[in-house]
Amino acid sequence: GAGVSQSPSNKVTEKGKDVELRCDPISGHTALYWYRQRLGQGLEFLIYFQGNSAPDKSGLPSDRFSAERTGESVSTLTIQRTQQEDSAVYLCASSVNPGLGVDEQFFGPGTRLTVL
Amino acid sequence: DQQVKQNSPSLSVQEGRISILNCDYTNSMFDYFLWYKKYPAEGPTFLISISSIKDKNEDGRFTVFLNKSAKHLSLHIVPSQPGDSAVYFCAARSINTGGFKTIFGAGTRLFVKA
Repeated sequence: GAGVSQSPSNKVTEKGKDVELRCDPISGHTALYWYRQRLGQGLEFLIYFQGNSAPDKSGLPSDRFSAERTGESVSTLTIQRTQQEDSAVYLCASSVNPGLGVDEQFFGPGTRLTVL
Repeated sequence: DQQVKQNSPSLSVQEGRISILNCDYTNSMFDYFLWYKKYPAEGPTFLISISSIKDKNEDGRFTVFLNKSAKHLSLHIVPSQPGDSAVYFCAARSINTGGFKTIFGAGTRLFVKA
């Protein structure tokens, strides 16, 4: 389809393991965002990529979290040495170009991460 | 520090009546405000937005009102329909060095009873 896709849809891992989450944005969208939603809470901003600019990493909760984006396409969010508090739904979104007025973000279905 | 607050975790409304979802913010530098709707097991979808230079934006059954002096916005849905039952997130965008950041509220779960 033409929407944002994320994989895997579900991931169960053991505490201390590393995980990698993938996001495929909508083709042509220059901006890409990662959010985290813990159970019963709102969306927590993690990181934002815009074109070739340096990413805004101000929302990453610790140095165990990192993300990369290849040009204006796929992004991966990596969590090293996972902890139980990392359990959440990780949502990716993309938008055409935030500088062009209202910034409607298109969200993927999310990856549900469970750390045992 | 919650810059965007949705103080009502849930709201129940009868079908056909008006639903009013509220949102408060603290940062006067936000330039756009948005509402997103989320169904279970799906990502949020954009509903309606308003620029900080306006006080009202209407799209069909959905109207967003912005009161900048009170740092408050609200989403009105009229008439409410059972299919509107979902979690609604208020979001605000600010321009930071290097780009844009969107801050989301915690969401309000709307139940529309038939």
